[in-house]
Amino acid sequence: KNEVEQSPQNLTAQEGEFITINCSYSVGISALHWLQQHPGGGIVSLFMLSSGKKKHGRLIATINIQEKHSSLHITASHPRDSAVYICAVRQGAQKLVFGQGTRLTINP
Amino acid sequence: KAGVTQTPRYLIKTRGQQVTLSCSPISGHRSVSWYQQTPGQGLQFLFEYFSETQRNKGNFPGRFSGRQFSNSRSEMNVSTLELGDSALYLCASSLTAGRETQYFGPGTRLLVL
Repeated sequence: KNEVEQSPQNLTAQEGEFITINCSYSVGISALHWLQQHPGGGIVSLFMLSSGKKKHGRLIATINIQEKHSSLHITASHPRDSAVYICAVRQGAQKLVFGQGTRLTINP
Repeated sequence: KAGVTQTPRYLIKTRGQQVTLSCSPISGHRSVSWYQQTPGQGLQFLFEYFSETQRNKGNFPGRFSGRQFSNSRSEMNVSTLELGDSALYLCASSLTAGRETQYFGPGTRLLVL
């Protein structure tokens, strides 16, 4: 079993829908990252969380440390949100461990 | 402030050759991490450097090596290339090592024939 599991692996939705991507992990962590990767490869760091909730524009990330679970929400989704979303966790000062990614497609 | 830059952006090599990839972090950032991304394995951690010292190393063979210079620029080297080394190699920089937001470069796409 991978240390970091994301669901779903693929998600297709219509423009305007509310999107939720989930990330579960099996180890104690110091921080959890949500990353966005567009076609072509460039990766952008969206959030770094160690507790609670963060919001940036239409994106919201939450984490439940006790349940070892995090969610990334996108409100009023738009075709430009189409990308691969990757969850990654860090244990202490150790290396980042990545989930397999969720491919999101938003149709107009 | 300029972002993380990686050179070259694309590279084609043949089996058995070696390759050196370069990463220039954001000005003032002292930590550089390297990652390999393949369709089969996804993103995997290679190394992390801070102030010219390797802090962490992933589970890759000794053919993969790296270093960091006093100006925080970093290089990674892969010797005796194998077909399976074909991948997107990404570097990311942060102010310090550990619990920091990382800023990723555009990557170097390596194809081994």
